Amino acid sequence: GAGVSQTPSNKVTEKGKYVELRCDPISGHTALYWYRQSLGQGPEFLIYFQGTGAADDSGLPNDRFFAVRPEGSVSTLKIQRTERGDSAVYLCASSLGVGEGYEQYFGPGTRLTVT
Amino acid sequence: RKEVEQDPGPFNVPEGATVAFNCTYSNSASQSFFWYRQDCRKEPKLLMSVYSSGNEDGRFTAQLNRASQYISLLIRDSKLSDSATYLCVHGWDKLIFGTGTRLQVFP
Repeated sequence: GAGVSQTPSNKVTEKGKYVELRCDPISGHTALYWYRQSLGQGPEFLIYFQGTGAADDSGLPNDRFFAVRPEGSVSTLKIQRTERGDSAVYLCASSLGVGEGYEQYFGPGTRLTVT
Repeated sequence: RKEVEQDPGPFNVPEGATVAFNCTYSNSASQSFFWYRQDCRKEPKLLMSVYSSGNEDGRFTAQLNRASQYISLLIRDSKLSDSATYLCVHGWDKLIFGTGTRLQVFP
C-alpha cells in the first residue's frame, strides 16, 4: 500500500520567504508527526497531531513555524520569514494510533535549503 | 546533556564480524525504546523495539538496562547491506532520537 508521501521533495527558497511543506499520511492513520533533521544529527521532534488537533507542539522552535491538519488527514507545515538556519530535511511520520505498540512510519522528507 | 547519547562512529567492520552499539539516555522515566535504521539520504525505519528482557530478531539483539540507563544493539555476521546509520530512540508519542552511529561493512 501507499506509504507516507511528502511534497515537494526539494525546496530552495531565499531568506525571508514563506514556505509550505505538505504531508500525506498513510490512509487511516490518526496520528501525524513532524520532525526535522539537520546534517549529522538525528531527527528532532517538532509537533504531532491526533486527528485535527495539535496534541503536542513543544518542539516548534519559534512562532515562525506553524502546522495545520484541518481535516485530520493531510498536514501542512508552514514556515514564515525563513532563515538559513531553517535549512534541514523535514520529515513527516504517521501512525495508526498513539502510544506503545504503534509504529511511526516516516515519509521520504522534504529537503529545505534557505539561501 | 543530550537526552540520548550515541557514539557517532563510524564503525568500519569486515563482513561476518560482530559489532555492538551502545546508547545512554538521561530520562529515567522513559518507557519505550527503539533502534531505527537510516540509509544515506533516506527516511528512518524501525529496526526493532527494545524490551527489558532483551529481544532478538535474526542477527540482531537489543538489550535495555534500566538501572544504568543504557541500551545496546548487537549485530552478528555483518552483511554489506547492514551499512547504515543506527539511531537510538525513546518515546511513545514524540520520539527522541540520538545522533546515530554510522556502520560501514566492507568486503
